[in-house]
Amino acid sequence: EAQVTQNPRYLITVTGKKLTVTCSQNMNHEYMSWYRQDPGLGLRQIYYSMNVEVTDKGDVPEGYKVSRKEKRNFPLILESPSPNQTSLYFCASSNGTSGMGSNTQYFGPGTRLTVL
Amino acid sequence: RKEVEQDPGPFNVPEGATVAFNCTYSNSASQSFFWYRQDCRKEPKLLMSVYSSGNEDGRFTAQLNRASQYISLLIRDSKLSDSATYLCVVNPRRNSNTGKLIFGQGTTLQVKP
Repeated sequence: EAQVTQNPRYLITVTGKKLTVTCSQNMNHEYMSWYRQDPGLGLRQIYYSMNVEVTDKGDVPEGYKVSRKEKRNFPLILESPSPNQTSLYFCASSNGTSGMGSNTQYFGPGTRLTVL
Repeated sequence: RKEVEQDPGPFNVPEGATVAFNCTYSNSASQSFFWYRQDCRKEPKLLMSVYSSGNEDGRFTAQLNRASQYISLLIRDSKLSDSATYLCVVNPRRNSNTGKLIFGQGTTLQVKP
């Protein structure tokens, strides 16, 4: 089954404790992206990757890191989480070469993160 | 001004009604437009892309108005199962960068029996 998976689905942590949210897709997609969703603000793009070893900042990259060592995986790293990073996080992937943002994005099920 | 703006609603309509949502975007260079559907904090799923000539998929019709910089979604004969949040999505193509997508905050539709 074609899908995007995220782990963990739910996480409660404390300020400053490094964490990683994994994202994996089995569709051989080149483009992957991370979003956070907050009430009243909608989905905001954190980072995206056009291909292996190519990553770029989205609109809200502060406090986050990503890596794209393999095509299928795109982990989101919070080196020192803070309470304002409490949010619902979605990973997404899509196919395409040019205009990747133009293609259908497939979203993972989401990770609900709470930072105390 | 937000880059992509939607009326958050909620829009409460009876079954069978026709309902329309608009979404405005600020960047006139935007090239790609989509409507996504999101159920109750689950993952968004593509509903339809929006083409310059307008497009229809069953009860759903999407339109693009470049002159006024808005896209619309029309739902005919509303079903209870149409209750969801509808997200407007724009690829702003800033600085030839095609990887960024801007989401509106969503419009909530509640279809009542």
